[in-house]
Amino acid sequence: DIQMTQSPSSLSASVGDRVTITCQATHHISNYLNWYQQKPRKAPKLLIYDVSNLETGVPSRFSGSGSGTHFTFTITSLQPEDIATYYCQQYDDLPYTFGQGTKVEIK
Amino acid sequence: EVQLVESGGGLVQPGGSLRLSCAASGFTFESYWMNWVRQAPGKGLEWVANIKQDGSEQYYVDSVKGRFTIARDNAKSALHLQMNSLRTEDTAVYYCARSLFNYGSGIFRYWGQGTLVTVSS
Repeated sequence: DIQMTQSPSSLSASVGDRVTITCQATHHISNYLNWYQQKPRKAPKLLIYDVSNLETGVPSRFSGSGSGTHFTFTITSLQPEDIATYYCQQYDDLPYTFGQGTKVEIK
Repeated sequence: EVQLVESGGGLVQPGGSLRLSCAASGFTFESYWMNWVRQAPGKGLEWVANIKQDGSEQYYVDSVKGRFTIARDNAKSALHLQMNSLRTEDTAVYYCARSLFNYGSGIFRYWGQGTLVTVSS
């Protein structure tokens, strides 16, 4: 199975800060990498698919980059409504696997 | 509007069975791969299983192989997950998820609200 390792596990930042989360895959996964946002007691929400494609309606302050085994998710200017847990997910091979999540809080 | 509504969760004893359902609407159900994804309390997301548009292919995470069966009824726009020989580690919220595109399966664009399965004696 392809393991996905996210870092950090949690972070605290101020409103307006730039936030970066990394995701490392144990195998090359081409561009089959997605990012989700999950707020407490809610279903996950797709933010970015195929590394860098912003899902319709998602604010442009969210972005993704990377290739191969190393990927990055960025919030350019953290907003209060961005408080959530973020997950990366690969779908290059079954079983599809998620990172362990990064909890983002406001400082 | 795409809607996915799960049902069938509840409390079950270890070794017991449960059948989850997901009622889909707002799209041509038979055109999409469908998935089950679960989340144990306070934990991360785990993909469980998926099924091809016509039901001819199903795939599972190793931990549920031989115990869970995914199925679909395209005439009723319904997805099911039959869970047998349940273990305490199967306790989770189970989400039904549809892929973004009608080819491939791995981009989970639409999610249900989830249904909680608790396996405990």
